[in-house]
Amino acid sequence: DSGVTQTPKHLITATGQRVTLRCSPRSGDLSVYWYQQSLDQGLQFLIQYYNGEERAKGNILERFSAQQFPDLHSELNLSSLELGDSALYFCASSVGVTGEETQYFGPGTRLLVL
Amino acid sequence: GENVEQHPSTLSVQEGDSAVIKCTYSDSASNYFPWYKQELGKGPQLIIDIRSNVGEKKDQRIAVTLNKTAKHFSLHITETQPEDSAVYFCAASGWGGAQKLVFGQGTRLTINP
Repeated sequence: DSGVTQTPKHLITATGQRVTLRCSPRSGDLSVYWYQQSLDQGLQFLIQYYNGEERAKGNILERFSAQQFPDLHSELNLSSLELGDSALYFCASSVGVTGEETQYFGPGTRLLVL
Repeated sequence: GENVEQHPSTLSVQEGDSAVIKCTYSDSASNYFPWYKQELGKGPQLIIDIRSNVGEKKDQRIAVTLNKTAKHFSLHITETQPEDSAVYFCAASGWGGAQKLVFGQGTRLTINP
């Protein structure tokens, strides 16, 4: 158990809908990262927050947004969903922001868009 | 930006034999190279990592080597066991570089009893 929690575990929805994925980092970690894992793209970095502020952006679509709250939990919002958004979404956390610290991954949310 | 290539994509070895997975990276500013193991239905789990000031690191049956000049690093698993069967990912990052983890495409390792 990494100490990172994610809810829900599974999500089934329809095209055009909006969903929210939630992540709670390990106790003491200030950075939260979101990754998308699909069969053809592997693990892709989406976005990073550090202590409530956005720090780095990857290949995140404009239809996707995220935020980190004062209690350090984070939410990833996916809107206008398309079939291609079906994937595993992982959250990871680390102590700081240098990019050289261990990132601990949560169990993931499996999203299926029908 | 950073690009990480990982080979092979699949690897099958007999129980007790060694397994080697190799990765190359493009950004010479990268300084941190972790390896993750992902079992079915679970999130990636860190198994070993290495920083650029070290050429080799070992933890029991697992070792990682880094060649910064050639920009490649490798994972070595000795005396493989059935529970080593999983998908393994290498990654690279660094403050002076991408500041985020860039992952290789993964290697599916199967240990045959």
